[in-house]
Amino acid sequence: ETGVTQTPRHLVMGMTNKKSLKCEQHLGHNAMYWYKQSAKKPLELMFVYNFKEQTENNSVPSRFSPECPNSSHLFLHLHTLQPEDSALYLCASSQGTSLHYEQYFGPGTRLTVT
Amino acid sequence: DQQVKQNSPSLSVQEGRISILNCDYTNSMFDYFLWYKKYPAEGPTFLISISSIKDKNEDGRFTVFLNKSAKHLSLHIVPSQPGDSAVYFCAASGGSNYQLIWGAGTKLIIKP
Repeated sequence: ETGVTQTPRHLVMGMTNKKSLKCEQHLGHNAMYWYKQSAKKPLELMFVYNFKEQTENNSVPSRFSPECPNSSHLFLHLHTLQPEDSALYLCASSQGTSLHYEQYFGPGTRLTVT
Repeated sequence: DQQVKQNSPSLSVQEGRISILNCDYTNSMFDYFLWYKKYPAEGPTFLISISSIKDKNEDGRFTVFLNKSAKHLSLHIVPSQPGDSAVYFCAASGGSNYQLIWGAGTKLIIKP
């Protein structure tokens, strides 16, 4: 248990659906992250939030829309996804955005787009 | 083009022996390196890190070695235990890369 929870753990959605992934951290951290991990590939950073403000958007398609209402919660809203978006989506948090702060990861949401 | 490469997708080691996981990088500006460990159905967890001002960092059974001239780092686990079976990720940062750049991972299997 890392103090970072993600729901749902598994999600199957059609290309026309709209769904949301939720992440919550109980560590008092100020920074939160969304990563994508496709099979056999490195983790790819998608978004970074620091004190609820988005500080990074790594050229992520607009069909992925993040939301950070407070430092403890992070959402990833999904709409009109493509089959190649099927992947493990990992949320992480850290004390700050300095890379010397350890990132704590949630267990991930396994997303399948049909 | 991957800047951080873990060329062995998997590695099998006998319990009690040394496990050596390798990681190569291409960006000479990287100055901070980390290893994370991931069990199935869990997120990665931080294991050990090393700054480029050092060439070795040790924490219990885990030692990371950094060879800057070869742009290579390795993680040594001695002695290997069944609980060490997991996927190990190498990550790096530095220079204009203000975010972690990750390798694809190596799956370590410890045989009893």
